[in-house]
Amino acid sequence: DAMVIQNPRYQVTQFGKPVTLSCSQTLNHNVMYWYQQKSSQAPKLLFHYYDKDFNNEADTPDNFQSRRPNTSFCFLDIRSPGLGDAAMYLCATRDPADTQYFGPGTRLTVL
Amino acid sequence: GQNIDQPTEMTATEGAIVQINCTYQTSGFNGLFWYQQHAGEAPTFLSYNVLDGLEEKGRFSSFLSRSKGYSYLLLKELQMKDSASYLCAVRSSLRGATNKLIFGTGTLLAVQP
Repeated sequence: DAMVIQNPRYQVTQFGKPVTLSCSQTLNHNVMYWYQQKSSQAPKLLFHYYDKDFNNEADTPDNFQSRRPNTSFCFLDIRSPGLGDAAMYLCATRDPADTQYFGPGTRLTVL
Repeated sequence: GQNIDQPTEMTATEGAIVQINCTYQTSGFNGLFWYQQHAGEAPTFLSYNVLDGLEEKGRFSSFLSRSKGYSYLLLKELQMKDSASYLCAVRSSLRGATNKLIFGTGTLLAVQP
C-alpha cells in the first residue's frame, strides 16, 4: 500500500506555463518536505512544513511556492517554469523517529 | 558549512562484499542516514546511526564514527538488484534545522555477474 503518493509521475509543461505537483500521504505525519533532484545530483531541499508552519530554504527561488491545505496533502507550485527547473521532484514525510519516507517522485520536463 | 563526500561510482561482483564510505563536515550533527535509490525512483530508507558503532540489518550494515566524521555502508552477498545509487545523508542539529537532512550526491554501485 502506497504511503506517500505523488501525482502525476511524469509531467510535461511549457516554458513559463505554471504547473502544480501534488503529494498525499496516508501516514498522518506532521512533517512534509519537497526536494528537487537533478540527474546525478543529491536531493536538494526546497521547503518543509511542520504541520501548517512553512519553512523555506534560503536559496529556494521565489518561483517555487507550496501549499498544505491539510495534513494529508501538500502541493508544489512552479509559477513560471524555466528549462533549468526540469528535474525529479520528491515529496517526503517524516515519522516520529525522524526517518523520512519518500514518494515515487514526479519527473518534470520543461519544453 | 555542510559538506558530505562519497565516491561517485563503485563496481563489485555478485556475491561479494562492498563498503561504501561517507565523510562529512557539518556545523551540527544529529544522526546519519543511508538511502538506496534505483534509477528513476525515490530514495528508500536503509539505515540510521546516531551513536558510534555498527548497526546491522540483514545483508546491510552501517557504521558511524562521530569523532572522525565518517560512516560506511557495508553490503554483503551482493545481488544484481543491489545495483543502485546509495545516498549518505546527515541530519543537522542546528537550531531551526533539526528537521532537515543534507544529502551527499550518492555512490552509484554497479553489481556485475
